Amino acid sequence: QKEVEQDPGPLSVPEGAIVSLNCTYSNSAFQYFMWYRQYSRKGPELLMYTYSSGNKEDGRFTAQVDKSSKYISLFIRDSQPSDSATYLCAMIRTSGSRLTFGEGTQLTVNP
Amino acid sequence: KAGVTQTPRYLIKTRGQQVTLSCSPISGHRSVSWYQQTPGQGLQFLFEYFSETQRNKGNFPGRFSGRQFSNSRSEMNVSTLELGDSALYLCASSLAGTGETQYFGPGTRLLVL
Repeated sequence: QKEVEQDPGPLSVPEGAIVSLNCTYSNSAFQYFMWYRQYSRKGPELLMYTYSSGNKEDGRFTAQVDKSSKYISLFIRDSQPSDSATYLCAMIRTSGSRLTFGEGTQLTVNP
Repeated sequence: KAGVTQTPRYLIKTRGQQVTLSCSPISGHRSVSWYQQTPGQGLQFLFEYFSETQRNKGNFPGRFSGRQFSNSRSEMNVSTLELGDSALYLCASSLAGTGETQYFGPGTRLLVL
């Protein structure tokens, strides 16, 4: 069983839709949670970084962490065609440095 | 502030050869991690260097090695290349590496023929 599970999609939505992306994890040692966006043939770009349970908002993006359920989410409001990319969840153990990634969800936002 | 840079961006090698990839972290960052990304396995951790010392290592064979210089620049080397080594190799840097945000470079795309 993978430590981090993420539905690979693909996910296709119309422009302006609210997008919900999710990951579950099995190891409670994970304490730091990140979402990266990766365009085709590019390196991952950090979108959100969270530590504690709860919500964190940045513009159209909201990251949600529920440590009790071992579940993290990324919401994208008013999605744009430029949001079309692969979204990767990643997490780090306490005092660690190794990122453990989900498989990535491929998102397409249609104009 | 300049981001993480990686050279070369593309590389074609044949089986049995060796290859060296280079990564320059963000100025002031002392931790450099390397990841391999393939369609089948996703992003997998190779190793992390901090202050010229390997601090963490993933589950890759000994053909994969790395080093870090005093200016925090890092290189990774793959010897005796196999077809399965074809991948995007990504470097990420952070200030000190412990639970911090890691910033990725554009990657080096390696094709082994």
